[in-house]
Amino acid sequence: GAVVSQHPSRVICKSGTSVKIECRSLDFQATTMFWYRQFPKQSLMLMATSNEGSKATYEQGVEKDKFLINHASLTLSTLTVTSAHPEDSSFYICSASLWAGGSDTQYFGPGTRLTVL
Amino acid sequence: AQKVTQAQTEISVVEKEDVTLDCVYETRDTTYYLFWYKQPPSGELVFLIRRNSFDEQNEISGRYSWNFQKSTSSFNFTITASQVVDSAVYFCALSGGSSNTGKLIFGQGTTLQVKP
Repeated sequence: GAVVSQHPSRVICKSGTSVKIECRSLDFQATTMFWYRQFPKQSLMLMATSNEGSKATYEQGVEKDKFLINHASLTLSTLTVTSAHPEDSSFYICSASLWAGGSDTQYFGPGTRLTVL
Repeated sequence: AQKVTQAQTEISVVEKEDVTLDCVYETRDTTYYLFWYKQPPSGELVFLIRRNSFDEQNEISGRYSWNFQKSTSSFNFTITASQVVDSAVYFCALSGGSSNTGKLIFGQGTTLQVKP
């Protein structure tokens, strides 16, 4: 149980284009999903918290107009990188929160490696 | 403020050795949760364990064991008889607090290399 998928796993795009990444909880409903960014050999950096049916909460320094998040259902959240530039190249990871035993546990997707040329 | 420190950046051991990964945390909250995740070269974070602040019992799962000590604010992870497949980056994380948004505070990670 507690499987989270992410699509695509890899994407290469040209500078100026937009890229959409999907995050799905396959066997549970997730009221809350999280989006992270990870640079090589570094820890995960939280970008935003996504709650189903409401606007995402962005961390300080993350441009909400640049990274559009939509959480339309309890099993799907999407991250759209708009007008991507080479500095947006990174490993993007989502997680879905499962409530059990009185607290949340985040289960992570396999990640999406974005390369912007 | 909450903080997680994994002082060991990289550890290299030979297969079958035991290895302990250290994790020290800081929080002013009385209710919080601690986690360990494994990130193999494929990139996906794999959930290993969750421990709440009221449960100081040590946990053993196969070759894995965890030692939670509130007195020293530590939540260390030991792998017994390590195997090459244990090679990965291991993250310790903290969540909880009065706001309880579920946000995870990650340590910097420890890269474990197990050599045959």
